[in-house]
Amino acid sequence: SAVISQKPSRDICQRGTSLTIQCQVDSQVTMMFWYRQQPGQSLTLIATANQGSEATYESGFVIDKFPISRPNLTFSTLTVSNMSPEDSSIYLCSAPTGFGEFFGPGTRLTVL
Amino acid sequence: GQQLNQSPQSMFIQEGEDVSMNCTSSSIFNTWLWYKQDPGEGPVLLIALYKAGELTSNGRLTAQFGITRKDSFLNISASIPSDVGIYFCAGFYSGNTPLVFGKGTRLSVIA
Repeated sequence: SAVISQKPSRDICQRGTSLTIQCQVDSQVTMMFWYRQQPGQSLTLIATANQGSEATYESGFVIDKFPISRPNLTFSTLTVSNMSPEDSSIYLCSAPTGFGEFFGPGTRLTVL
Repeated sequence: GQQLNQSPQSMFIQEGEDVSMNCTSSSIFNTWLWYKQDPGEGPVLLIALYKAGELTSNGRLTAQFGITRKDSFLNISASIPSDVGIYFCAGFYSGNTPLVFGKGTRLSVIA
């Protein structure tokens, strides 16, 4: 399995500001994914973080709003830009391994 | 896009009872995964299934990969209070493609 950590675990932010979430994996992985989980909902994929190339975004998500970095095979960041209350969610990173896909503990974001 | 139908949406059961939940897909998957999510936590992988027809156990949990590759079920035997949480099924077709998630089954256990 892979051990995945995220920082921060939670934050309360003001409208219009930006927050960068960090995701660290304890082993090198080819792919990393970023998900959003709105209250009471399932997980929705935001984008695939590709090492050495631009992230691949799902329909409804754009780079200007959710810029992603993937500087190496163990680390990625997701920035939630120009936040509004609708961005209040849990943001999760994940990494697939040969044994399945493992998730970080999530970052709970509240936007006031 | 692909969708997974997960049922039931929620369950209230007595401690000691067995539980069953399932997922069906409109298209085939090569891997099915079952996760449990506690409040304020990320999903934790419970069981991974890699072959059609595969039946796998993890303690009191048993899951099967349907022979058509379009469905899977999870059974929990002799439920206990710590089984409370949301259970998600997920599937993917190939190794580096993202997961498709079900909407979750919220399990409540009454002592």
